[in-house]
Amino acid sequence: DAGITQSPRYKITETGRQVTLMCHQTWSHSYMFWYRQDLGHGLRLIYYSAAADITDKGEVPDGYVVSRSKTENFPLTLESATRSQTSVYFCASSQQMTDTQYFGPGTRLTVL
Amino acid sequence: DQQVKQNSPSLSVQEGRISILNCDYTNSMFDYFLWYKKYPAEGPTFLISISSIKDKNEDGRFTVFLNKSAKHLSLHIVPSQPGDSAVYFCAASARNKLVFGAGTILRVKS
Repeated sequence: DAGITQSPRYKITETGRQVTLMCHQTWSHSYMFWYRQDLGHGLRLIYYSAAADITDKGEVPDGYVVSRSKTENFPLTLESATRSQTSVYFCASSQQMTDTQYFGPGTRLTVL
Repeated sequence: DQQVKQNSPSLSVQEGRISILNCDYTNSMFDYFLWYKKYPAEGPTFLISISSIKDKNEDGRFTVFLNKSAKHLSLHIVPSQPGDSAVYFCAASARNKLVFGAGTILRVKS
């Protein structure tokens, strides 16, 4: 299917565990983004990538790791999950940095 | 320091009336502004945008107004419909940056 997909849609994990959230887009967009959505904060940028093997920090990168070996995939890893990382995570893509971004359906992550 | 602020967490409007959602920004380098709409359990979707060289952009029932001197933009929805009930995010971009506001929940009552 064309578009941008995220998996899993829901995840419950425990403090200290490693978790990887997957993002896949079929548009061959250059840019990909990871956001977290928290009440009162809106969408905050965690990391973004301008192309394969090029990534950069956003506003709230601490505790997260990203990679982009292929243009279409942009996984986000929480190396040692903490309760403060309980959130809804959205992946997005765009052709240019400030073009309209297309969002995935989100992953709701709960860290117990 | 929130560079993009949506001061109204929620707004309730009667069907058929006008909905006005407001957004303020602090960074004068922002030159492009967007509104996204988000339904529960879905990702945000692009709604309408405006460049800083304009003061108004219209798309069907949706109009965005930009007041650069006041660093303020607003989204007008006329007439409002129950299907417009969603969270609306304002976003502002500069060269290498897109910043979102906290969102406003719009409820349109039938």
